[in-house]
Amino acid sequence: AQTVTQSQPEMSVQEAETVTLSCTYDTSESDYYLFWYKQPPSRQMILVIRQEAYKQQNATENRFSVNFQKAAKSFSLKISDSQLGDAAMYFCAYRSEETSGSRLTFGEGTQLTVNP
Amino acid sequence: GAVVSQHPSRVICKSGTSVKIECRSLDFQATTMFWYRQFPKQSLMLMATSNEGSKATYEQGVEKDKFLINHASLTLSTLTVTSAHPEDSSFYICSDRQPAADTQYFGPGTRLTVL
Repeated sequence: AQTVTQSQPEMSVQEAETVTLSCTYDTSESDYYLFWYKQPPSRQMILVIRQEAYKQQNATENRFSVNFQKAAKSFSLKISDSQLGDAAMYFCAYRSEETSGSRLTFGEGTQLTVNP
Repeated sequence: GAVVSQHPSRVICKSGTSVKIECRSLDFQATTMFWYRQFPKQSLMLMATSNEGSKATYEQGVEKDKFLINHASLTLSTLTVTSAHPEDSSFYICSDRQPAADTQYFGPGTRLTVL
């Protein structure tokens, strides 16, 4: 079974600075997707960014980018120019493309605080 | 992204009663929807996969008779917590998978409190 590990329960960053959230995963599969979701205090899960494992190029969405290291099974999220609205719980998630169900496996989450 | 609604957003019920939570996919027909449970300050735990027109697939350890799932139409899945007890109090979240975007989008969640 696949597992996702987020080793940083809490992180903090100053407004306008850059922060990197870590995520590692364990799988024997070669075809999968990786996601970062954020969950603000409203508890609405919001997709931040996604990465297909077969793509070598790191995904980027405005101020959010990932560092995808397939061999190392690492998928970190970099938030540039942090804003107060970025404060949230961030979840890394894995989805297999080889087994049925399209289920997401989530990490434990990282609570990000943005300091003004 | 896709829009998913849930109703109610918050419900309080007495122990022993049943509660139904609705999950609607508003902008496309979802043949598959997912139900998650989340305890405070914890991650999401997949409870079951809801398949339109067929029986739901439950994760190991989830009681299917306790958490009844019905996916009778392409836009609506319901989760019924039967004979609710205080330990069923939790935050329940549904999601759908939009094939075109190959991504799951989540509803706003339902906070269930069982007294």
